[in-house]
Amino acid sequence: DAKTTQPPSMDCAEGRAANLPCNHSTISGNEYVYWYRQIHSQGPQYIIHGLKNNETNEMASLIITEDRKSSTLILPHATLRDTAVYYCIVRVIVSNYQLIWGAGTKLIIKP
Amino acid sequence: DAEITQSPRHKITETGRQVTLACHQTWNHNNMFWYRQDLGHGLRLIHYSYGVQDTNKGEVSDGYSVSRSNTEDLPLTLESAASSQTSVYFCASNQGGSTEAFFGQGTRLTVV
Repeated sequence: DAKTTQPPSMDCAEGRAANLPCNHSTISGNEYVYWYRQIHSQGPQYIIHGLKNNETNEMASLIITEDRKSSTLILPHATLRDTAVYYCIVRVIVSNYQLIWGAGTKLIIKP
Repeated sequence: DAEITQSPRHKITETGRQVTLACHQTWNHNNMFWYRQDLGHGLRLIHYSYGVQDTNKGEVSDGYSVSRSNTEDLPLTLESAASSQTSVYFCASNQGGSTEAFFGQGTRLTVV
């Protein structure tokens, strides 16, 4: 599975859109991009995933560049409860579910 | 509601003791996983199972074992606990393919 690169930390004002970047320049054609988050001391929580089209659900939007070498997770109206570590992971769906976790981005939402 | 639960939530044990961490899910998922997370790092896969009687080693399996005698449970055993195994342990499950994984709340294990 391809590796990902994320900034170690980011700040965002409450009520604003939080845009979290992820670089996955070695991604292959059959690898999906997954996002999870981990709120302090809790188990990771699934957010969203996609292959090449942009995706949106009730939590967030995922924008994947046309060459698929990077993506952005967008939290449209960040709240204080969105403060967490966000992990970007790429994996092949047909393989097992061995998620390779990096260090993630610590997102701090400020009032 | 379906859920995945881990027990105990906190455990302190002595070096050399055998310890078993429990994981129970009620989604009837085929796949179950054990990860460990050390301070300031992402999760690392210890063992995983794709179904009853199936177990596989992950990235950091040395010193750990699992067994899968039914769909709902995947207990993790530390054969002889070492201080290097002090960590937070997370269990997860999913049905397979592209579906999301659901994680338990974690077990904080301290080996003294």
